[in-house]
Amino acid sequence: QQQVKQSPQSLIVQKGGIPIINCAYENTAFDYFPWYQQFPGKGPALLIAIRPDVSEKKEGRFTISFNKSAKQFSLHIMDSQPGDSATYFCAASIASNQFYFGTGTSLTVIP
Amino acid sequence: DAGVIQSPRHEVTEMGQEVTLRCKPISGHDYLFWYRQTMMRGLELLIYFNNNVPIDDSGMPEDRFSAKMPNASFSTLKIQPSEPRDSAVYFCASSLRGNNEQFFGPGTRLTVL
Repeated sequence: QQQVKQSPQSLIVQKGGIPIINCAYENTAFDYFPWYQQFPGKGPALLIAIRPDVSEKKEGRFTISFNKSAKQFSLHIMDSQPGDSATYFCAASIASNQFYFGTGTSLTVIP
Repeated sequence: DAGVIQSPRHEVTEMGQEVTLRCKPISGHDYLFWYRQTMMRGLELLIYFNNNVPIDDSGMPEDRFSAKMPNASFSTLKIQPSEPRDSAVYFCASSLRGNNEQFFGPGTRLTVL
């Protein structure tokens, strides 16, 4: 059973566009929601994370929007660049270090 | 800091052979995780350790898979006997208690023919 459902599976945008990746979860005990970025041939690396006591978090061009009542959260990439082309994973955890990852979104930013 | 180190980076083997993947976590980290990544299933947690003790191995697919952590700086994931459906990228990650960030290694790409 997939604890965290992620969509879309792939996304293609033009440079400067704003790709949005969505995730949904069921377990209301989750209390930490990170996004990881993975480049080809590399391991995933933490990009940005949020806790459910806030509805939005921004770090540079990356923003997480969090809707606790809908049990959904999303990643927005402002002014996307070709260098942002990567696979993005959302995840959720409960007070421990065990993460449940989404299935990933392959993002391509066209110059 | 060298980060999480995994070896080998690539492994090609024949069905039925034993495969051993190795991981060195970041010094001082007390959690270690083994993941498997495939196109179909994404990132799956196989097993994780805290202070060298296995905490949850419910993600280990079959008895053919085993993992050990003999000390704080080394862990192995073994598949015996290997099968073509085990072909995947295997990641090791480590983290420090109280800090949720997991640091991933570069992965081992396993191909079982």
